[in-house]
Amino acid sequence: GEDVEQSLFLSVREGDSSVINCTYTDSSSTYLYWYKQEPGAGLQLLTYIFSNMDMKQDQRLTVLLNKKDKHLSLRIADTQTGDSAIYFCAESRSSASKIIFGSGTRLSIRP
Amino acid sequence: DTEVTQTPKHLVMGMTNKKSLKCEQHMGHRAMYWYKQKAKKPPELMFVYSYEKLSINESVPSRFSPECPNSSLLNLHLHALQPEDSALYLCASSQEGAKDYEQYFGPGTRLTVT
Repeated sequence: GEDVEQSLFLSVREGDSSVINCTYTDSSSTYLYWYKQEPGAGLQLLTYIFSNMDMKQDQRLTVLLNKKDKHLSLRIADTQTGDSAIYFCAESRSSASKIIFGSGTRLSIRP
Repeated sequence: DTEVTQTPKHLVMGMTNKKSLKCEQHMGHRAMYWYKQKAKKPPELMFVYSYEKLSINESVPSRFSPECPNSSLLNLHLHALQPEDSALYLCASSQEGAKDYEQYFGPGTRLTVT
């Protein structure tokens, strides 16, 4: 079956790097995503990676994909207070419209 | 313009009321989605419209009735809801074809059923 798992909480110090991890079970996943949700708001697509890629970097964000272990991570460099949010890992197949979300990781920043 | 708008932002309704949620996008996207999100949970897909036709219904109760009047608008008609239907209702859209995987979400309508 389809399942996406992530740890529920992460606390980091301002200025440090945050690493949020995710595992998925569907080997036919083609697209893997990271969404950010701030309190009371909708979801913002942060970045995505195709399953034939190992890494994608976009400014402070680095996504690493280990397809063999079905492990996805999001690294946020120089974490700021504005990065406080819930981060959802998600996956979908090639042209399917259904996205399967993980339970979300709540990132909190301490001074 | 990468914006999906939703109205109203908040809605309180009784179990005998009829109300509608509205969603609009002007990005030329041909796929539109309704999701339901309970507190501290991930979004759950309810419906997908593709080229204004319903393509996915995730076994949603009939008290939720979607409608896609044109390619820019998506409605969710609500009737005889239950208190457990209280949640954040999110609309999303994506461009069919090559970029189908990029879904853009609206801010949501927070629904409370009393």
